[in-house]
Amino acid sequence: AQRVTQPEKLLSVFKGAPVELKCNYSYSGSPELFWYVQYSRQRLQLLLRHISRESIKGFTADLNKGETSFHLKKPFAQEEDSAMYYCALRGGGYQKVTFGTGTKLQVIP
Amino acid sequence: AAGVIQSPRHLIKEKRETATLKCYPIPRHDTVYWYQQGPGQDPQFLISFYEKMQSDKGSIPDRFSAQQFSDYHSELNMSSLELGDSALYFCASSSNTGELFFGEGSRLTVL
Repeated sequence: AQRVTQPEKLLSVFKGAPVELKCNYSYSGSPELFWYVQYSRQRLQLLLRHISRESIKGFTADLNKGETSFHLKKPFAQEEDSAMYYCALRGGGYQKVTFGTGTKLQVIP
Repeated sequence: AAGVIQSPRHLIKEKRETATLKCYPIPRHDTVYWYQQGPGQDPQFLISFYEKMQSDKGSIPDRFSAQQFSDYHSELNMSSLELGDSALYFCASSSNTGELFFGEGSRLTVL
């Protein structure tokens, strides 16, 4: 079974402060990990994936297989980063994508 | 660029009625996923199709059924609707890259 855990339902930070959204996963094989973002009144969209190892909108995430984590980080939060963030896991191939419960990021001006 | 199209965007039904949601994936995407997102909840996987065959099944009630047609569009049929079925139903499509492209969702309200 595959499982994604996001321990924080809400994370409030001040503008310019560092952000870390936590994600832990459970999967027996080699998973693909993603971060999806849902801005207010918009559809879910991909933010980044561990395979690409790139930075999107200043966000990065590193897959730590030892700790089974895929935390999302940004050094300086911006107001436009306020949104719901979902960590997601795919077991590989055409298997389902399992989402975590989401973390609402609130950036305070 | 073409995105995932879902219809209808909003649907209001009475208890015990039937509803059908439609999803039109991005062209050349061969996989379609259905998710249910209740108020304040995370998206719950219902079912997926790859090349018109069911590829995976999640927490889809027996009252629900779905299929993918020859043109790759998919329909989610929900019967004997219950109040708890009120939710936002997302469809997503993907190719072999693994990235899911989501539609804007169909909001079902059961009265």
